[in-house]
Amino acid sequence: GAGVSQSPSNKVTEKGKDVELRCDPISGHTALYWYRQSLGQGLEFLIYFQGNSAPDKSGLPSDRFSAERTGGSVSTLTIQRTQQEDSAVYLCASSLALSTRHEQYFGPGTRLTVT
Amino acid sequence: AQSVTQPDIHITVSEGASLELRCNYSYGATPYLFWYVQSPGQGLQLLLKYFSGDTLVQGIKGFEAEFKRSQSSFNLRKPSVHWSDAAEYFCAVGAGSGGYNKLIFGAGTRLAVHP
Repeated sequence: GAGVSQSPSNKVTEKGKDVELRCDPISGHTALYWYRQSLGQGLEFLIYFQGNSAPDKSGLPSDRFSAERTGGSVSTLTIQRTQQEDSAVYLCASSLALSTRHEQYFGPGTRLTVT
Repeated sequence: AQSVTQPDIHITVSEGASLELRCNYSYGATPYLFWYVQSPGQGLQLLLKYFSGDTLVQGIKGFEAEFKRSQSSFNLRKPSVHWSDAAEYFCAVGAGSGGYNKLIFGAGTRLAVHP
């Protein structure tokens, strides 16, 4: 079956511009997660959704980062006024239900480069 | 706070040799522990997981890991490495309130395999 998909696969943007990253989870998965993979910080948790609700936003690095999920499916991660330190690969994952007892399936990521 | 340490950034082994990748965690309660692999150009794939019970767990691709509470360790092993095992390996702990809802990753160990 179809896995987690993310778009775009690559995004180059100028410093100060806003970007939107999209994640399509596996159909039927109620939990959705965003992580960021960067050279300096490794793999770090950003936010998760249970349905359309985000109970834990503790990993968002600043108020320039926001995320939403609609219809219990697609999620969008928005970065406003991008900075060079935002350059990273943004990974999305989904699981059948919330809790790490359920395997998280990862998408291929969106590579963001801020120039 | 929960954390995961992977002491080895790079490891090189010869094909056919045995492999052990180290992972230490810091977590107050009984941890949920995971090993993921990321091959070049590929997404993260779950190798194995530990929640409770038998401390030696078997995973895919011939990997196993042993949970040692006294050492706060969850080392990954493989008796005979294949060239296709060259990849980056991440240890992770399930963390967060309630149902361990997010993954905290180590910095990763990059494995190179010599023919």
